[in-house]
Amino acid sequence: SYVLTQAPAVSVAPGETAKITCGGNIIGSKSVHWYQQRPGQAPVLVIYEDKMRPSGIPERFSGSNSGNTATLTISWVEAGDEADYYCQVWDSRSDHVFGTGTKVTVL
Amino acid sequence: DVQLVESGGGLVQPGGSLRLSCAASGFAFSKYSMHWVRQSPGKGLVWVARIDGYGSAAFADSVKGRFTTSRDNGKNTMDLQLNSLRAEDSAVYYCVRAINWNYPAHYFDSWGQGTLVTVSS
Repeated sequence: SYVLTQAPAVSVAPGETAKITCGGNIIGSKSVHWYQQRPGQAPVLVIYEDKMRPSGIPERFSGSNSGNTATLTISWVEAGDEADYYCQVWDSRSDHVFGTGTKVTVL
Repeated sequence: DVQLVESGGGLVQPGGSLRLSCAASGFAFSKYSMHWVRQSPGKGLVWVARIDGYGSAAFADSVKGRFTTSRDNGKNTMDLQLNSLRAEDSAVYYCVRAINWNYPAHYFDSWGQGTLVTVSS
């Protein structure tokens, strides 16, 4: 099965930049999507197709994907960005796959 | 506005069955593939199943043969039938609208609030 690996936790000070990585075998050949899940809430799509932002998502959220790593970058981090973040891809053998999730803590 | 409302969760004994429902509104339901995603308490998101607008479905290996899904495009509803339930099936089950990036590859732009299934004796 296709596995997406994320660091369990990332800490960042307000105003700084958070980089959340998602590792997978030749993930650069796939389209990666990212979700934010605040405590007690349903997930929200923040990046689709590697780097596209849905309507209503701030420009501070950006994405990239190359080689074996996809990255979600949150610039000028705010307290409200504190959440769990999940990457997701489609794989021909495993169907839809989510990453293990990264908890972002704003110091 | 897109609305997805799940129902049917509850406490069930191991080996038992449960039927979850998702009521959709605010969009042309029949034109979208729909998915079920679950999340065990304190754990990550796990894809469970999908069904396209014509009723063709696929399932995660962990639930294949135990879960089935169906939809009624006239009523804008989708169901997930959970059979032979195990403790590890305990989770919040989300109904999710999918955007067709490159069928069957999807991403998920709208999520319900979820319904909790607890499998315990």
